[in-house]
Amino acid sequence: GAVVSQHPSWVICKSGTSVKIECRSLDFQATTMFWYRQFPKQSLMLMATSNEGSKATYEQGVEKDKFLINHASLTLSTLTVTSAHPEDSSFYICSARNRDESSPLHFGNGTRLTVT
Amino acid sequence: GQNIDQPTEMTATEGAIVQINCTYQTSGFNGLFWYQQHAGEAPTFLSYNVLDGLEEKGRFSSFLSRSKGYSYLLLKELQMKDSASYLCAVMDSNYQLIWGAGTKLIIKP
Repeated sequence: GAVVSQHPSWVICKSGTSVKIECRSLDFQATTMFWYRQFPKQSLMLMATSNEGSKATYEQGVEKDKFLINHASLTLSTLTVTSAHPEDSSFYICSARNRDESSPLHFGNGTRLTVT
Repeated sequence: GQNIDQPTEMTATEGAIVQINCTYQTSGFNGLFWYQQHAGEAPTFLSYNVLDGLEEKGRFSSFLSRSKGYSYLLLKELQMKDSASYLCAVMDSNYQLIWGAGTKLIIKP
């Protein structure tokens, strides 16, 4: 089956620093990648959608200058949380899909970010 | 607006059968997905329905009725490892996934 690798699995950083999270599709070409965040006991919240080679489309209320997304190749997308604050602490999950828009999303294992 | 409704929590007994319902109202329909999410982990894909009827995959089955805006996930021969949240998601006419809040399934011995 399709495999999506997300790294790191968890990270602790100090307030004001930046953190980069990588999402790689290992055995298929990820035309579209999605970034979600999830707070405890809540559902997934879509942050942004990125298509390879294009600028990401951010959901309402998500600051694009704070959450920088790069999707430079068909196998790699990155999310950088800039100037992180404690309220950014959350579970961040990426997912990827191939060119078929109706194909299921395949999720990375998620990154638990704690900002102190 | 678009919304997905599913029960917040359900409890079932090991070895039994449980049905998790999902009703939806979306702008267009391009398929319904079920995902399983264990606590602290990312979701994993379970099933995809785009036509009416029942799709069976081992102990798990998923049913869809497009005219009723309704789906269910049926889990048979429940095992303790099936304790997880089950997420229903509908793909709308723009191929955007609309997520339900998830149903937390608790399995008791």
